Order: sequence, then C-alpha cells, then structure tokens
Amino acid sequence: GESVGLHLPTLSVQEGDNSIINCAYSNSASDYFIWYKQESGKGPQFIIDIRSNMDKRQGQRVTVLLNKTVKHLSLQIAATQPGDSAVYFCAELMEYGNKLVFGAGTILRVKS
Amino acid sequence: KAGVTQTPRYLIKTRGQQVTLSCSPISGHRSVSWYQQTPGQGLQFLFEYFSETQRNKGNFPGRFSGRQFSNSRSEMNVSTLELGDSALYLCASRRAGGLKDTQYFGPGTRLTVL
Repeated sequence: GESVGLHLPTLSVQEGDNSIINCAYSNSASDYFIWYKQESGKGPQFIIDIRSNMDKRQGQRVTVLLNKTVKHLSLQIAATQPGDSAVYFCAELMEYGNKLVFGAGTILRVKS
Repeated sequence: KAGVTQTPRYLIKTRGQQVTLSCSPISGHRSVSWYQQTPGQGLQFLFEYFSETQRNKGNFPGRFSGRQFSNSRSEMNVSTLELGDSALYLCASRRAGGLKDTQYFGPGTRLTVL
C-alpha cells in the first residue's frame, strides 16, 4: 500500500504555548490538504482543510499554512491545551487515483 | 446526528480465516472509504464506495474486498488472513461524491491475527 513516510516524530509543548506541526507532501499537483487529529482509541477527527489557491486558513485556535513552493504544510495550534494531546496527520488529495494520502503523523504531547 | 459506527470494535482471528467488518455511515452520506492503519505503514487507503459502486481502490491484494448496500452501509472482507493483516481498520464517510467534502471517520475495528 501507499503511505507518506514511516517516521513518527514527537512534539512536546508546555500547556499554554503555541504548537507548530509540520508536514511535507509529495505531489506538487495536489490541490487539497487536510489536517486530522487522532486521540488514543478513536478514529481521526477533521480539524481544518485548505485548498491550493490559499496560503493560510484559520479556524478556532488553529491555523494552517501552505507553502506550495517547497511542498510544505503546517498546523499551528494556539494556547495548546492538554486535550490537544494526540497524533496529528496531514493528508493530500491525489487527483490521479482520486484518493487521500496520509502522512505518517506527529505525536503532540502537552505538559501541564 | 449519529457518527460513523463500526462493528465489531475488536476482533481476534487466526491465520487463514476470513473476516467481515461492517460500517454504517452518517445518515445521508453516500460515500464510504476504508483505510488500514498500522504502526509501520500508517494510514493507507483500501477502497471507496459510492452509490454501491467501488469508485477507487488502493494498492492492496485481492484478498481485501468490499461492498456497499443500497442504504450506504458498507462491509469489507479479508480472506485468508495473514499475520500482517493485524491493524486498525477505519471507515470514513462523506456526504457526496467529491473528495473535497469533509470526511468523517468511525472509531475503527481492531483486528488481531494470531
């Protein structure tokens, strides 16, 4: 099967600090990207999405930045809370094959 | 509105057996996708069904199959189970056919193959 990388990095932040989670995507033709959050024992939960005609999109306490030049996506979480502790996945829409391809994920640990 | 439900939540099988997993999408959602999640390979797309037709398929062997019923509920089947099939199997639904519609995941079925 396909997957985008095997490495699962960990980001540890102090409660109240801002978190930045990064993702490198593979296909320059991808035009839609999504961030998901997965808590232990649960399925992934949609956080925010962005289309390739945008550089930035904001939600509640979250911001996604897209840099198409270097094929990089980031998720910023403001005032990180213990409930934000989870694995975060980015996903890109591969038009060829018409399917979403997920990154390996980043573990976010919030220290109180 | 109820979310995506998957049954069973946990399953233990032995090599060579076959297994059927079930997924009920959110009411009104017509597209159902299946994913396999393992620590080594991450989240990998298996297939997608829309209006009872398989619309898309990932790179998995033919032992993995699925179907969708007229009420949009979906099942996936794995035949001749191998140890490497141990994984969390996730189902996701979306309202319409477009991949840019928000996709909602169920809690998954944890399959262990002994």
